[in-house]
Formats: sequence, structure tokens, C-alpha cells
Amino acid sequence: DAGVTQSPTHLIKTRGQQVTLRCSPKSGHDTVSWYQQALGQGPQFIFQYYEEEERQRGNFPDRFSGHQFPNYSSELNVNALLLGDSALYLCASSTPAGGETQYFGPGTRLLVL
Amino acid sequence: AQSVTQLDSHVSVSEGTPVLLRCNYSSSYSPSLFWYVQHPNKGLQLLLKYTSAATLVKGINGFEAEFKKSETSFHLTKPSAHMSDAAEYFCVVSDRRSFGNEKLTFGTGTRLTIIP
Repeated sequence: DAGVTQSPTHLIKTRGQQVTLRCSPKSGHDTVSWYQQALGQGPQFIFQYYEEEERQRGNFPDRFSGHQFPNYSSELNVNALLLGDSALYLCASSTPAGGETQYFGPGTRLLVL
Repeated sequence: AQSVTQLDSHVSVSEGTPVLLRCNYSSSYSPSLFWYVQHPNKGLQLLLKYTSAATLVKGINGFEAEFKKSETSFHLTKPSAHMSDAAEYFCVVSDRRSFGNEKLTFGTGTRLTIIP
């Protein structure tokens, strides 16, 4: 049973560019959440997708957007990258029956130069 | 609004001695509480969770935590530390206000170092 997978594992971009990160949820899970973890800090909630719609959003600007596909996989897009967007981006999946328990992928480490 | 405060940014213990990682929470509603562990260059792994059942929660790898409403605390303990326990630990709260709209709020983390 595959867990949560994310791609790519590492990414280097320059300021002003756009980036797309991908996530496949754990088998049987239909809800995907995205988190940003800056160096030395705890993860911060970006948004959550369920039934292909953004259900809840944290305190992140509109430069951060997402999408969920019919197979429950998800993408995180960040436009107009800033140096401060350098972080580990974590995807987590869950089910409504599972409540708040979320299972995390290994993350994508983004470096913005 | 919900939040957690991890009282120690770094804890060092000798192998074989007890581990105590402290966490206080704040929540307007009946919270769910979690402890996650993050080993270097790896994702987050769920250690244990409290969701209003028994106040003493047992998790994986010998860890347990006790929910104390009067103290708004959810401290993580282990009787005997092992070298493999060295990692970053996060206390996490979820607002159970509305089913299906749970987001996790993380603490700043506690780095656990095990001394051989």
C-alpha cells in the first residue's frame, strides 16, 4: 500500500518564476492538505482540497493556488516566487471518516535564488 | 483560534533515561491533539493522537501522552530513550469545530538529542 507520494523531491527556481508541485494521496484517501515548512519552523497550513474544491485556506497570499483532480491527486502552484518561499512543502492526505488524522508525504524542498 | 506552545526547543537525554517533551495548547473548542515526529530529511510520522476518548494515549515506539484539560497540556513521554528517537517532535492541535474542515496547527518543534 503506497503512502503519500510527492514530486519532485527537490527544486531550484529563481525569483519571479512559477512552480508546480505534485502530490498523490494514500490509497483510499480523498482529501489533500498542503503545508509549508520553513527551515527551523513547524509546518504551516496552506489549504485543503476535497471533491476538487478548496475547502479551507490558511494565511497565504493568492500567489499560492491549487488543484485537485478526479483521482484525488493534487497540485500546488506558486506564482511570482519570492526568496521567502524557499521551504519544504508537505502534502498530507486523509479521509472524512478518518477525521483529523493526516498522513504526510516526504515533501518537496524548494529553493528560490 | 487554536495554538500550541512547545515549551522546549531542544531536549537532551542520555540513552536509557526517560523522555519528557512538553506541550500546552489553546483551543476555543474541544480539541484533537497529536504528536508527530520528523527524522532528518524525512516526512512527518504520526506518533499518537487524542480525540476525547481516554486521556492517556499510547502511541508507537513506546511513546505516550496524557491530556490534562485543567492544565491545557499534552506532554509526550517515553520511559527509556533509544538512539533512534533522535528527531524533531511536533505537538499539533486540530479544531474539531466542524467535521470535514479540520486543519492542523503545529507547534514550533522540539529537537530531541540522545546522548550515548
